[in-house]
Amino acid sequence: GNSVTQMEGPVTLSEEAFLTINCTYTATGYPSLFWYVQYPGEGLQLLLKATKADDKGSNKGFEATYRKETTSFHLEKGSVQVSDSAVYFCALRAGTQGAQKLVFGQGTRLTINP
Amino acid sequence: EPEVTQTPSHQVTQMGQEVILRCVPISNHLYFYWYRQILGQKVEFLVSFYNNEISEKSEIFDDQFSVERPDGSNFTLKIRSTKLEDSAMYFCASSLQGFGTDTQYFGPGTRLTVL
Repeated sequence: GNSVTQMEGPVTLSEEAFLTINCTYTATGYPSLFWYVQYPGEGLQLLLKATKADDKGSNKGFEATYRKETTSFHLEKGSVQVSDSAVYFCALRAGTQGAQKLVFGQGTRLTINP
Repeated sequence: EPEVTQTPSHQVTQMGQEVILRCVPISNHLYFYWYRQILGQKVEFLVSFYNNEISEKSEIFDDQFSVERPDGSNFTLKIRSTKLEDSAMYFCASSLQGFGTDTQYFGPGTRLTVL
């Protein structure tokens, strides 16, 4: 079946550090890939997404590239801020019709210290 | 910006009691979902709903669970007889389309505590 694996957390960084959160997936066919973010006390918000191999999703300084050869979708940011502290979820969605569910990784808690 | 809302934000109930979790999806969306997250674990899919019927359900979604869209705006999840292991955060989501990169918008969640 389809699955997503994220790097173990929690991750603690200093402000302005470089961030990478690893995500790999297993899926049949060609899934769409997503990163969601959950700020304290809030729901899941879409951060970025990509549809096909070599697509790069980007938003708010975050980037992730759909790598089919390594089945990965790692999240990166060049210079993190305290406001980036949140839980980050990698997810995939497979299928071309109907109500296709999201399959999530376990989430990575990120804390940025000033 | 339109958003998905959920009520209540926190529900405490006794084991064996029925609970109804409520969601108001974004008004023009056609696809609706429930997910749950047990503390410290993954967000898990429960059920998807389209055109007034269940599209897909997970193994978790057994006979104790049901969903309903009683009117044009609400989408509810009912647990008939709650168990301790039902304690979790329950998220409702909605989307305009059901597949591809179409975005699923999530509500803030209802934290269910079963005592």
